[in-house]
Amino acid sequence: DGGITQSPKYLFRKEGQNVTLSCEQNLNHDAMYWYRQDPGQGLRLIYYSQIVNDFQKGDIAEGYSVSREKKESFPLTVTSAQKNPTAFYLCASSDRRRGYTFGSGTRLTVV
Amino acid sequence: AQTVTQSQPEMSVQEAETVTLSCTYDTSESDYYLFWYKQPPSRQMILVIRQEAYKQQNATENRFSVNFQKAAKSFSLKISDSQLGDAAMYFCAYRSAMGSSNTGKLIFGQGTTLQVKP
Repeated sequence: DGGITQSPKYLFRKEGQNVTLSCEQNLNHDAMYWYRQDPGQGLRLIYYSQIVNDFQKGDIAEGYSVSREKKESFPLTVTSAQKNPTAFYLCASSDRRRGYTFGSGTRLTVV
Repeated sequence: AQTVTQSQPEMSVQEAETVTLSCTYDTSESDYYLFWYKQPPSRQMILVIRQEAYKQQNATENRFSVNFQKAAKSFSLKISDSQLGDAAMYFCAYRSAMGSSNTGKLIFGQGTTLQVKP
């Protein structure tokens, strides 16, 4: 079955450390997205990519970086510049005709 | 810029009763899509219902229906015959369908937590 796989499910980051969240899809979708979810604030867009080797900043891109070297993969790096990284991160891909498919998320905690 | 507002942080409903979740949005665009997503405790996002702005007819999916008022920029979700499994957080979302704005990105409201009482 086609879908989106996010890993790991839980991730712990030490102060000053960079961590990378994985997102892989086998749906042949061109577009992929990263959202951050905090309590009471809904989901906010971090980065998105509509084609391979191209991506754009979303509303809260500071302290994050992404790459899109392959159509299937859109990893998100949370850098030490992100001062409040504890959150739930959701990856999604989109076929404009059929809409969004979401991954199951990664819970990142700073320790 | 487009915004989506859900003014009800929490709602509750008795099992088998009907509940309506509110959503308003702001946009200057004429062509767009609106969605309701359900997020249960597993945190998996599940599409509940979708509405194309150019369609006047309100979308319906089994026990879920919407009241889409384009002029008022309102998009409420009605859940009929509520079941315990409907307990979740519900998000309203907007997506542009116009030209260069059609990046596919979703703009979400803050969410409404629905409790279903047995």
